[in-house]
Amino acid sequence: GAGVSQSPRYKVTKRGQDVALRCDPISGHVSLYWYRQALGQGPEFLTYFNYEAQQDKSGLPNDRFSAERPEGSISTLTIQRTEQRDSAMYRCASSQAQVGEQYFGPGTRLTVT
Amino acid sequence: GQQVMQIPQYQHVQEGEDFTTYCNSSTTLSNIQWYKQRPGGHPVFLIQLVKSGEVKKQKRLTFQFGEAKKNSSLHITATQTTDVGTYFCAGYNQGGKLIFGQGTELSVKP
Repeated sequence: GAGVSQSPRYKVTKRGQDVALRCDPISGHVSLYWYRQALGQGPEFLTYFNYEAQQDKSGLPNDRFSAERPEGSISTLTIQRTEQRDSAMYRCASSQAQVGEQYFGPGTRLTVT
Repeated sequence: GQQVMQIPQYQHVQEGEDFTTYCNSSTTLSNIQWYKQRPGGHPVFLIQLVKSGEVKKQKRLTFQFGEAKKNSSLHITATQTTDVGTYFCAGYNQGGKLIFGQGTELSVKP
């Protein structure tokens, strides 16, 4: 079926606003990962879920960042009170099993002005 | 915490030359994966290695996993312009978190 989709693809927001980034994984995939990728760097782990359970959120930079996957499918990464340093490409990936090949979405480019 | 390092950061080769990127982890990995990211694209899975000393080949690409499961390499024979991109290694830690290296950017001059 379709691959991993993310929306919006681009988001420009003013400092202090909240943003919600959405990830729609491949149907049936158990695990869902959120990453942040700076230009010229590898994806930086943020958090991941198995089904609806958040397994590890150690990569979330601070308490302004949160993520949920309430029904074990679509996930939302929320950033509250955005700051300029939050500007980055945010990527989502899903995998059929916990330790396996990850399929990445196209990413959301977030710009905080 | 666990770190995955790759060298070199950049590699410029003439088409037809070979290319190798090396990956080292600060801790033992349960497995290692390799991804390729084309300019403007997203990471795409290439392969996963699980066993100590494992070697796998995909056409002109050869992947190795070290005996101690702390290092890995990707070798491309006779590069082509289609090989251009950034190659990332990534290792799972015991908790199921995938840690990426910083990547090796390959450019190929025709």
